[in-house]
Amino acid sequence: KNEVEQSPQNLTAQEGEFITINCSYSVGISALHWLQQHPGGGIVSLFMLSSGKKKHGRLIATINIQEKHSSLHITASHPRDSAVYICAVRGNQFYFGTGTSLTVIP
Amino acid sequence: DAGITQSPRHKVTETGTPVTLRCHQTENHRYMYWYRQDPGHGLRLIHYSYGVKDTDKGEVSDGYSVSRSKTEDFLLTLESATSSQTSVYFCAISAGQANLRPLHFGNGTRLTVT
Repeated sequence: KNEVEQSPQNLTAQEGEFITINCSYSVGISALHWLQQHPGGGIVSLFMLSSGKKKHGRLIATINIQEKHSSLHITASHPRDSAVYICAVRGNQFYFGTGTSLTVIP
Repeated sequence: DAGITQSPRHKVTETGTPVTLRCHQTENHRYMYWYRQDPGHGLRLIHYSYGVKDTDKGEVSDGYSVSRSKTEDFLLTLESATSSQTSVYFCAISAGQANLRPLHFGNGTRLTVT
């Protein structure tokens, strides 16, 4: 069973497009994290949120606790956004999604 | 960026040999974790530590042991490596278990067992 499900698994976009990655979870949580992993690279924390919405530059993360759902939006996507985006939730432990692989084509 | 260093970054070893991976932090964080990352799976917890000499098992702990003799170092040992342990291993640290404590990751160790 997967406590965290992400969609889509793979996503290809043209530069400039608006992108949405979705995350649904089945456990009670205290916080949700969005992580970014570049090919061959380490994992970087983008957002940590427990309610509402957060924005960093072109990235926006939202969470709906009642619906157990979060979205990560990228506005005006750029090839440097190409990476794997991982949703993780903090319940009694950390649970991780399998990631969404994003490729942004120039 | 959080100060986490994993070593080695890459390792190729033969089946049956012992292997030790090291995670070193300069943040003085209490919690340290070892995860493995495999295609089709999310990050899976191997072992974690909540203080010096305080460790506990994660969901995929079989075949692995850990030690934490100092706050800054968390070692992961494969006593007798098997091909199923070929993976990318990530160390992570956190200041605490509180709700909004972020999780910081190292750059990973790519281990190949031949």
